[in-house]
Amino acid sequence: GENVEQHPSTLSVQEGDSAVIKCTYSDSASNYFPWYKQELGKGPQLIIDIRSNVGEKKDQRIAVTLNKTAKHFSLHITETQPEDSAVYFCAACSGNTPLVFGKGTRLSVIA
Amino acid sequence: DAGITQSPRHKVTETGTPVTLRCHQTENHRYMYWYRQDPGHGLRLIHYSYGVKDTDKGEVSDGYSVSRSKTEDFLLTLESATSSQTSVYFCAISGGQGLGQPQHFGDGTRLSIL
Repeated sequence: GENVEQHPSTLSVQEGDSAVIKCTYSDSASNYFPWYKQELGKGPQLIIDIRSNVGEKKDQRIAVTLNKTAKHFSLHITETQPEDSAVYFCAACSGNTPLVFGKGTRLSVIA
Repeated sequence: DAGITQSPRHKVTETGTPVTLRCHQTENHRYMYWYRQDPGHGLRLIHYSYGVKDTDKGEVSDGYSVSRSKTEDFLLTLESATSSQTSVYFCAISGGQGLGQPQHFGDGTRLSIL
């Protein structure tokens, strides 16, 4: 089955700097890759997703890149703000099997 | 926000007692999921449903059962709770065709088993 590895587990950045979180997956049939943000006491919230037919997707300060050959995808947050502090999860699936999540990255943005 | 309500939001119970958690959606989505979240493990799928009375096991299904008698409700039951089932439980829903669709999560149920 699918296995998703996520790094780093914790990340601290200065406000205004960029943050990058990386994930690798094992199943070459995976074709859907969402990213979730989880704030304290809340459920995960979808922030961006990408499908295997594109290599990059942007939404304001966040972007996701996908390298199918290497089986890895990354979340990029630019101009970080204190409200970006949260736990971020990546996930992958093939469409025939449920999403498999990474173990999460705790991002702290220091003002 | 997607219309997902989990109940109860918090529960404390004793080992060996039965526990049922409820997930209710107002989106008429086909797929519903139950996850548990534990430190160091991220989100792990317990069971999911792809329609009324249609369910399948996830990664950590032992000790759990589910039922879906209506589109809007998905119940998770711990027949005889154990301390290892202390966790935060999340329900999620997704629509469209197939499992590769965005999932929307409820705000969770914090379950403590003493």
